[in-house]
Amino acid sequence: KNEVEQSPQNLTAQEGEFITINCSYSVGISALHWLQQHPGGGIVSLFMLSSGKKKHGRLIATINIQEKHSSLHITASHPRDSAVYICAVSWRSSGDKLTFGTGTRLAVRP
Amino acid sequence: EPEVTQTPSHQVTQMGQEVILRCVPISNHLYFYWYRQILGQKVEFLVSFYNNEISEKSEIFDDQFSVERPDGSNFTLKIRSTKLEDSAMYFCASQGGRPPDTQYFGPGTRLTVL
Repeated sequence: KNEVEQSPQNLTAQEGEFITINCSYSVGISALHWLQQHPGGGIVSLFMLSSGKKKHGRLIATINIQEKHSSLHITASHPRDSAVYICAVSWRSSGDKLTFGTGTRLAVRP
Repeated sequence: EPEVTQTPSHQVTQMGQEVILRCVPISNHLYFYWYRQILGQKVEFLVSFYNNEISEKSEIFDDQFSVERPDGSNFTLKIRSTKLEDSAMYFCASQGGRPPDTQYFGPGTRLTVL
């Protein structure tokens, strides 16, 4: 069965810390997405990757296709970064639907 | 910035009743999706829609579910006879370009079935 695994499930950090969230997947993908879900429930797309690295502000996403692994980094974390971060993939074999990981709940303390 | 909108934000219904969840995707987007998230669980794919027809659906999307794009702007999800286990947050998403591309999510409709 095609699976997406994230770690850690929960993460608490002090303001200013560098944060890494990991995602691994089981088979070939056409793209990997990093999403942010706020306490109210809304989902925001942060990145879509099929290779290499992308940066937006303090967020950096990397992907290693050979190892089937991606990381999301947050530099100089801030309490407003507190949210659930979700990795989702579209499998090469099955169109454009997204398969989601369980998410990483991040709390950044001031 | 264009955004996906969904109505209502919260719907409470009795078991066995029909509900229609509405979405207005981003204008000029061509690919549309419904996902759901049961409380405390991960987001799950329900259905994708392109060129006025379903392109893929999950096992969850049984005969009780249907989707429609009635007027070229709205995209609706209908549940014919709701069950308790349909209680979840339902997200609509739209995508402009050919897959793979960024999917833009609406704020969700929380459906509570009593």
